[in-house]
Amino acid sequence: DSGVTQTPKHLITATGQRVTLRCSPRSGDLSVYWYQQSLDQGLQFLIHYYNGEERAKGNILERFSAQQFPDLHSELNLSSLELGDSALYFCASSVIDQGNTIYFGEGSWLTVV
Amino acid sequence: GQQVMQIPQYQHVQEGEDFTTYCNSSTTLSNIQWYKQRPGGHPVFLIQLVKSGEVKKQKRLTFQFGEAKKNSSLHITATQTTDVGTYFCAGPVSGSARQLTFGSGTQLTVLP
Repeated sequence: DSGVTQTPKHLITATGQRVTLRCSPRSGDLSVYWYQQSLDQGLQFLIHYYNGEERAKGNILERFSAQQFPDLHSELNLSSLELGDSALYFCASSVIDQGNTIYFGEGSWLTVV
Repeated sequence: GQQVMQIPQYQHVQEGEDFTTYCNSSTTLSNIQWYKQRPGGHPVFLIQLVKSGEVKKQKRLTFQFGEAKKNSSLHITATQTTDVGTYFCAGPVSGSARQLTFGSGTQLTVLP
């Protein structure tokens, strides 16, 4: 158990819909990262927040947005969903924000039908 | 942009055989990290290498960081079925130490 909690674990939704994935980082960690992993694909970096502020953006679609709240939990919002958005979405956390070791949650499986 | 490449993409070995995966970056890395993802699981941190030419061992696993800090390798001696999974290397994106770029991963299958 990494200490990073993600909900929901599984989600099935229709095209065009909007979903919110939630992440609680490890106790004491200020950084939250979101990654997308499609079938047989690697880990694609989406976005990084540190203590409530956006610090880095990867290949995140405009239909996707994220935020980190004062209690340090984070939410990833995916809207106007397409079939190709079906993937495993991982949240990870770390203590600081300088490319150090990150700890992954168990992921949220999103299936768009 | 910076790329981190890993080879091979897939590797099947007989239990007891050795296994090596290689990681190459298009730019110099300040550090390189290795993660393991078991089937159906999430990536788990294995190790971090920082110094040029560094070699670290964890039981049957040996990790190396190249002299130029642009490549790395993970070698497993005498594989076991518990070694099954995908091994990823990751390094900070140049110009943004806040973002880890992951390699494409090597999926290891160990046949009993």
